[in-house]
Parts: sequence; structure tokens; C-alpha cells
Amino acid sequence: EIVMTQSPATLSVSPGERATLSCRASQSVSTNLAWYQHKPGQAPRLLIYGASTRATAIPARFSGSGSGTEFTLTISSLQSEDFAVYYCQQYNNWPSLYTFGQGTKLEIK
Amino acid sequence: QVQLQESGPGLVKPSETLSLTCTVSADSFSSYYWGWIRQPPGKGLAYIGHIFHSGSTFYNPSLRSRVALSVDTSKHQFSLTMHSVAAADTAIYYCARITPLGWYFDLWGRGTLVTVSS
Repeated sequence: EIVMTQSPATLSVSPGERATLSCRASQSVSTNLAWYQHKPGQAPRLLIYGASTRATAIPARFSGSGSGTEFTLTISSLQSEDFAVYYCQQYNNWPSLYTFGQGTKLEIK
Repeated sequence: QVQLQESGPGLVKPSETLSLTCTVSADSFSSYYWGWIRQPPGKGLAYIGHIFHSGSTFYNPSLRSRVALSVDTSKHQFSLTMHSVAAADTAIYYCARITPLGWYFDLWGRGTLVTVSS
């Protein structure tokens, strides 16, 4: 099983500032990496797939990078609606087991 | 706009069977794979399994012995059955769509809380 590790667990950032979230895979997943945003009581939302491609209707302030085992989600200028929990997920070697990171909670500083 | 909606009992007794259904409001049901993910209280997301409209399935090995997925294409529904549940199965259960363009979850339901308790 590929283990996904996200850091930090909690990130406190002020609105308007940049947020950088990290995700590490225990073995290479190439660019088969997705990022999701999750707010309480809502459906998780796909932000990024293929490590760096924004999903439909996702604002340009969200960007993803990385390949292999190291990945980053960057939110360039935080808006109030961006404070949520963010998960990375690998889907390498489909249809093998999908695994998620444990999440990073992005909170208002 | 395509939507996914989970439904089923919110309370299940230990050792009994959990059954959930996901209804998809779209005509493109047969073009995608459909999956289940759960989130125990205070914990992260965990993949359960997925199914294609043909009925082919894949399960998380840790749950394979207790889980079965099924699909009803005519109703645009797919279902999760989990046997012999225990308190550790208490979680929010999400259904989600898997796009064959990349095999990631591109659309999710809002989730339904299932509590295992006597």
C-alpha cells in the first residue's frame, strides 16, 4: 500500500497571503495525484488532478506541482472561502488501492 | 448539473449489515466508474471500493471480506453492503464518481453519517 503523508497537519494563514501544502508518497506515483478541498457538511471538491491540472471551474489561485513522491498545493492569495481541509490522493496503477493523505486543515490566522 | 446523493439508515447495530445507496442524477451513468469512501470521526478519508456499470468491482483489501458493491443501471444507482459491522465502522460514507479520463474522483456526494451502536 502506498502511504500518503501530508504536512503540516494544520496551517494558519492570513487572508490574502500564500499557503503551501505538502504531500509525500511512500513510493513513486508519477503524476497520478489529486488534491481535494473539503468543508464540513459539504461534498469534497476536486481541485487538481494529474498533480498540476486544475479541475473545471477551479480558480487560478490554486496550483499544484510535483511528481514522483513530492507534491505541493499552493494557494496564491487566500480568500475566506478557501479555509477548509485539503487532502491529497494517489491513483497510481489503477485499479489498485487508492490512498489519501490524512489532510491539512487550513485555518484563518 | 450532475449530483450524487447517498441514502440509507443512519444507525446500524453491531454485527448487523450496513446498506447504502447512491443515486446519480445523470444520463451518463454507464460512462464512469462509481466508488465509496468513508471518513471515521476525527480521521481522514479511506477508500472502500468501486464498481463499473458492467458490475466489475475492486475492493480495499482490508474490507474485501465484508463488503460488496452492486449497481442498478436502470435506476442510475449503486450500492454498498457491509456485513458484521462494528463501532469502528462508524463514519461518514461518501459516494463518488471516477472519471475514466484519469481515474480520480471528479464528483462527490455530500456524505451520510452511519453510526454503529446498540
